[in-house]
Amino acid sequence: EAGVAQSPRYKIIEKRQSVAFWCNPISGHATLYWYQQILGQGPKLLIQFQNNGVVDDSQLPKDRFSAERLKGVDSTLKIQPAKLEDSAVYLCATQGVGETQYFGPGTRLLVL
Amino acid sequence: SQKIEQNSEALNIQEGKTATLTCNYTNYSPAYLQWYRQDPGRGPVFLLLIRENEKEKRKERLKVTFDTTLKQSLFHITASQPADSATYLCALPLSGGYQKVTFGIGTKLQVIP
Repeated sequence: EAGVAQSPRYKIIEKRQSVAFWCNPISGHATLYWYQQILGQGPKLLIQFQNNGVVDDSQLPKDRFSAERLKGVDSTLKIQPAKLEDSAVYLCATQGVGETQYFGPGTRLLVL
Repeated sequence: SQKIEQNSEALNIQEGKTATLTCNYTNYSPAYLQWYRQDPGRGPVFLLLIRENEKEKRKERLKVTFDTTLKQSLFHITASQPADSATYLCALPLSGGYQKVTFGIGTKLQVIP
């Protein structure tokens, strides 16, 4: 089966600009997560979707981050405006039946 | 608060030896624990899951133990190879969280030929 797809793979922006990341999950996986991984740390959950509904967004900085999963399939994560500390890898993961999460390759963001 | 601890220092071992990585946790009573592997520039890949009623789980050269009394999991790679070099993350389900897990910071393993 095809894995989790993410794009773009790399993005460089100036601070205060906006940026969007896209995730295409494994077909049939109802649960989708967005994680932020700062260099040298483990992935930190930003938001969890179950189909097209938000299950948990308690760790999402809502003043600048937003995410949606229209039709319960693809998802986008947006940052507006970006700050220097947003430089990180943004990982999308999906989960079907069972506890295993399947991760995409991530988008590496550098904010200058 | 719930906390996961993995040795943040890199672990260097000689090829052919057994690598042992540690995951300690506090203020948790997890129903299971997972181990993932992460290579540079890639997302984590699931390796093994062990449940609270299991003492040990094996998969090829990998072995995981889970001691709920010590609140610790050990991850072993026997007959290690340079291709095993990567960062290994442990993950535990969050209390009250629907399917959510929290990840440790990971331990970087370097297998020296």
